Amino acid sequence: KAGVTQTPRYLIKTRGQQVTLSCSPISGHRSVSWYQQTPGQGLQFLFEYFSETQRNKGNFPGRFSGRQFSNSRSEMNVSTLELGDSALYLCASSWEASGANVLTFGAGSRLTVL
Amino acid sequence: QKEVEQNSGPLSVPEGAIASLNCTYSDRVSQSFFWYRQYSGKSPELIMSIYSNGDKEDGRFTAQLNKASQYVSLLIRDSQPSDSATYLCAVNIYGQNFVFGPGTRLSVLP
Repeated sequence: KAGVTQTPRYLIKTRGQQVTLSCSPISGHRSVSWYQQTPGQGLQFLFEYFSETQRNKGNFPGRFSGRQFSNSRSEMNVSTLELGDSALYLCASSWEASGANVLTFGAGSRLTVL
Repeated sequence: QKEVEQNSGPLSVPEGAIASLNCTYSDRVSQSFFWYRQYSGKSPELIMSIYSNGDKEDGRFTAQLNKASQYVSLLIRDSQPSDSATYLCAVNIYGQNFVFGPGTRLSVLP
């Protein structure tokens, strides 16, 4: 069973550029969540998509956006990059089951903004 | 604001000892509780999930949950150097996002 696949694994951008990250969940998982991880802030929740709808959203500016496709694959986009956006971006998928939801993480996309 | 708190560590234990990791959470209606392990440069991986009060054992790992005290812990018996990692506590309410603690860095000394 394939795990959660994130692409690209590493990328370097400059301030003001935009970036798109992709996440393919485990087959059968309909929920995809995105997290930003930095040494100072830990794992910060960005948003969650379930059946192509954004179900939950964290406290990030509008420069951070996402979407989910009918095959459950998800993308997140960060526009007008800032130095502080340098982080590990983690995608996690889950199979919905009330009271028994478990997140499985991908390997992450490490973004460096210069 | 839902919060999950952990001692940041580092927690150092000698090889073979018991490592005890603690976590408290603020939202009383939390339903599911998880411990993730994250090695440096890697993504978090699930170690244990626990949903009911009491203890749950899996090999060398035991998770303990006390909903009345809003407290969850992880015990690692016979700690090995390979257990050296950051341990993340996570809390979830169905239909809402997982909330992670800041993590406790564990160092097992040979």
